[in-house]
Amino acid sequence: GAGVSQSPSNKVTEKGKDVELRCDPISGHTALYWYRQSLGQGLEFLIYFQGNSAPDKSGLPSDRFSAERTGGSVSTLTIQRTQQEDSAVYLCASSLIPGAAGYTFGSGTRLTVV
Amino acid sequence: GESVGLHLPTLSVQEGDNSIINCAYSNSASDYFIWYKQESGKGPQFIIDIRSNMDKRQGQRVTVLLNKTVKHLSLQIAATQPGDSAVYFCAENQAGTALIFGKGTTLSVSS
Repeated sequence: GAGVSQSPSNKVTEKGKDVELRCDPISGHTALYWYRQSLGQGLEFLIYFQGNSAPDKSGLPSDRFSAERTGGSVSTLTIQRTQQEDSAVYLCASSLIPGAAGYTFGSGTRLTVV
Repeated sequence: GESVGLHLPTLSVQEGDNSIINCAYSNSASDYFIWYKQESGKGPQFIIDIRSNMDKRQGQRVTVLLNKTVKHLSLQIAATQPGDSAVYFCAENQAGTALIFGKGTTLSVSS
């Protein structure tokens, strides 16, 4: 597509439930990134996929968080047993060349855990 | 902790003034820096970038300055307009890994 698409745009879930957030990167972009942005804060790196290489999971805050990228395209970020502190905007970005200019961000998924 | 930070969380200017947003980074190995603009409800948008072998780069109404000696980065916006109101983030990159972002500066432009 023309840009990075994320769905849903908003998600309200009850504490303890699992959620799945989806990211459709720009076609042909080999690198895909997930970030988390809490209210009024900067972007916190979560995970990075590059082609068929093992993902860089160093930013995942706990084992409740996981992500996969199928076929080198669509990615799903899963949060199990959600907690209130998981409430944030989850942003996905893709780039043609890893770590280079041209990160294109989606508009994010606003997750609210009640 | 974060390796990139900003000096001021907010900056208020008058329309037509020049704005300067500052950023300090701690990792001397960082070789690539980017400024992003984020408007409310949207994802960050690329503004301008600079590599560590340069100390200045200019775009349309924007200039990025890099001082590697003191590990300082700044974004200058000329003739600031109300549409420039947003949160500005600097980010650094190390050898092809994911960008690391600072906390951001909120720029408010009054007319």
